[in-house]
Amino acid sequence: KQEVTQIPAALSVPEGENLVLNCSFTDSAIYNLQWFRQDPGKGLTSLLLIQSSQREQTSGRLNASLDKSSGRSTLYIAASQPGDSATYLCAAASGGSYIPTFGRGTSLIVHP
Amino acid sequence: DAMVIQNPRYQVTQFGKPVTLSCSQTLNHNVMYWYQQKSSQAPKLLFHYYDKDFNNEADTPDNFQSRRPNTSFCFLDIRSPGLGDAAMYLCATSRDLPGLATSYEQYFGPGTRLTVT
Repeated sequence: KQEVTQIPAALSVPEGENLVLNCSFTDSAIYNLQWFRQDPGKGLTSLLLIQSSQREQTSGRLNASLDKSSGRSTLYIAASQPGDSATYLCAAASGGSYIPTFGRGTSLIVHP
Repeated sequence: DAMVIQNPRYQVTQFGKPVTLSCSQTLNHNVMYWYQQKSSQAPKLLFHYYDKDFNNEADTPDNFQSRRPNTSFCFLDIRSPGLGDAAMYLCATSRDLPGLATSYEQYFGPGTRLTVT
């Protein structure tokens, strides 16, 4: 059974910093990995989707990488802004069920 | 342009009183999912539909049921809500399941916050 872990659980950084969020998964036979953003009391917004055949995806200030052999994905946020404050979740789809398994997320605060 | 719509956004129900949450989508996606999310926890999959094919998670309580009358709509019925069922309920869609198609992305609705009194 796939297990997804996100470390750290919470992160507070000053505005302008580059930062990395980590996502680890136990079953390396994944189909894809998706990163989401969740604002308090809201639904999830998709940020980036990485297929198993890909190594990374980029969107604006966001870059997500995937290393299946080590069971890791990272989300890199460049030049962080207060508006980036949210919880970031990753989800790995693997196994016969094809259904994504979510991590608990990293709660990010970017202070001015 | 809302793609996955959930109604209501906030629902208050009494202990044991049946409640129905609704989800609709304008994406014409094959797959619809229902998740339960409690504070600071990962979304927990309750069930999903692939077209009309219903798939229940093994640990989803019998108290939770779902209906998908057509492609666009999916309902979550909680037959006898308990205090432990208070949570955010998230509906999501995807065009297909990963492994069956190269392009797969989940789209989520804004969620329904359920309070049980």
